[in-house]
Amino acid sequence: DIQMTQSPSSLSASLGDRVTITCRASQDIGNYLSWFQQKPGKSPRLMIYGATNLEDGVPSRFSGSRSGSDYSLTISSLESEDTAIYYCLQYDKYPYTFGAGTKLELK
Amino acid sequence: EVLLQQSGAELVRPGSSVKISCKASGYTFTDYYMHWVKQRPEQGLVWIGRINPANGNTVYAEKFKSKATLTADKSSNTAYMQLSSLTSEDTATYFCTMPVFDYWGQGVMVTVSS
Repeated sequence: DIQMTQSPSSLSASLGDRVTITCRASQDIGNYLSWFQQKPGKSPRLMIYGATNLEDGVPSRFSGSRSGSDYSLTISSLESEDTAIYYCLQYDKYPYTFGAGTKLELK
Repeated sequence: EVLLQQSGAELVRPGSSVKISCKASGYTFTDYYMHWVKQRPEQGLVWIGRINPANGNTVYAEKFKSKATLTADKSSNTAYMQLSSLTSEDTATYFCTMPVFDYWGQGVMVTVSS
């Protein structure tokens, strides 16, 4: 199975900060990588697909990038509504695998 | 508008089985795979498997091959997941999602308790 190593596991940042979360894939997954936001008691929300593509309706302060086997989600200027848990997912090969999650909180 | 409406919460006994549903609307049910995802309380997301509603073809994660059975009813645009031999480890929220995790059901909380 492909392992998705997500870091950090938790992150505390201030309003307006630039925040970056990273997932490293244990094998080549091409650009078959998505990012999700999940708030308490809610279903996950797709934010980024294909490593770099912004899902419709997602604020432009969110972006995705890739450097080799490292995939990153960046929030350019943190807003209070961005506090949530973020997960990456590889959907290149079965079984699909999620990262362990990053809990993003306000400092 | 795509909607995935899941069945209600379940309280079930250890050793029993449960079948939860996901009724799809707003798109052609047979055009897209339906995936299922597990989330234990305060834990991360785990992919269970997927079904092709057009022909019933399924793919499962290894750890769910003896636990979950995915089916789909084209006549009612509904996907189902049956979980068997339930233990406390199966207490979780189960989501249906498609086509590549763009749309999600609201989740079904399954509690296994005597």
